Amino acid sequence: TQLLEQSPQFLSIQEGENLTVYCNSSSVFSSLQWYRQEPGEGPVLLVTVVTGGEVKKLKRLTFQFGDARKDSSLHITAAQTGDTGLYLCAGRGSTLGRLYFGRGTQLTVWP
Amino acid sequence: ETGVTQSPTHLIKTRGQQVTLRCSSQSGHNTVSWYQQALGQGPQFIFQYYREEENGRGNFPPRFSGLQFPNYSSELNVNALELDDSALYLCASSLEIEGLGYTFGSGTRLTVV
Repeated sequence: TQLLEQSPQFLSIQEGENLTVYCNSSSVFSSLQWYRQEPGEGPVLLVTVVTGGEVKKLKRLTFQFGDARKDSSLHITAAQTGDTGLYLCAGRGSTLGRLYFGRGTQLTVWP
Repeated sequence: ETGVTQSPTHLIKTRGQQVTLRCSSQSGHNTVSWYQQALGQGPQFIFQYYREEENGRGNFPPRFSGLQFPNYSSELNVNALELDDSALYLCASSLEIEGLGYTFGSGTRLTVV
C-alpha cells in the first residue's frame, strides 16, 4: 500500500500545454518534496514545502502544499520537451530523514 | 562540490549470492540513506545511517545490512539474493539528520538471475 498516491500515473501532452500533477495522502507530513528523475539517474530535488498552504514557484513550475499538509500539487505552465521525466513526490515521516515516495507521474512532452 | 557517487553502476548476480554496493556522500553531508526502486515504482526506504550508526529502518529483512564509515561513505550489503531484489538501489545524502533536502546518486542497477 502506497502512503502517497500520485495521479495521473502517465501524462502525454504537446509542448506549450499546461498540466497539473497531484500527490495525495491520508497522513500528515512534516514536509513534502518533489523530485524529477530521468532514466538511469537518481531523483533530483526540485522543491521542499514545509508550511500548510505554502506555494512555491520555480520558473514555470508551481508547487502547493495542502493546508492540512496531507497533499500537494505540481503545476507546469507552457510545458517544454525538456520537462519530460518521472515526477516523484515524497513526504517526510516521523522517522527523521525517512522519505515516503509516491509511484511517480511519467510526463512526456512532445514537440 | 562533488555529488553522491555510487558504485558499481550495474551488477548481475545469481540467486543466493551476496552483494556489496558502495556510496560516497556529498562533501559535508553526514547522513546517508539507502532506497530500493523497483521498476515502475517509487523508491522504498531501506535504512539510514547517521554518524556511523543505523538510525531508522524500513520494511526490509535482516539480510539487508549496511555500514557507514568515518568519512561518511556507506555500504549496502545484501545476503542470500532473491530474484525480487532486482532493482535500482539509490543512495541519498543530506546535511544533518533533519536535512530538508537530499542529494541522490545515480544508483546501482542490480539484476538477480
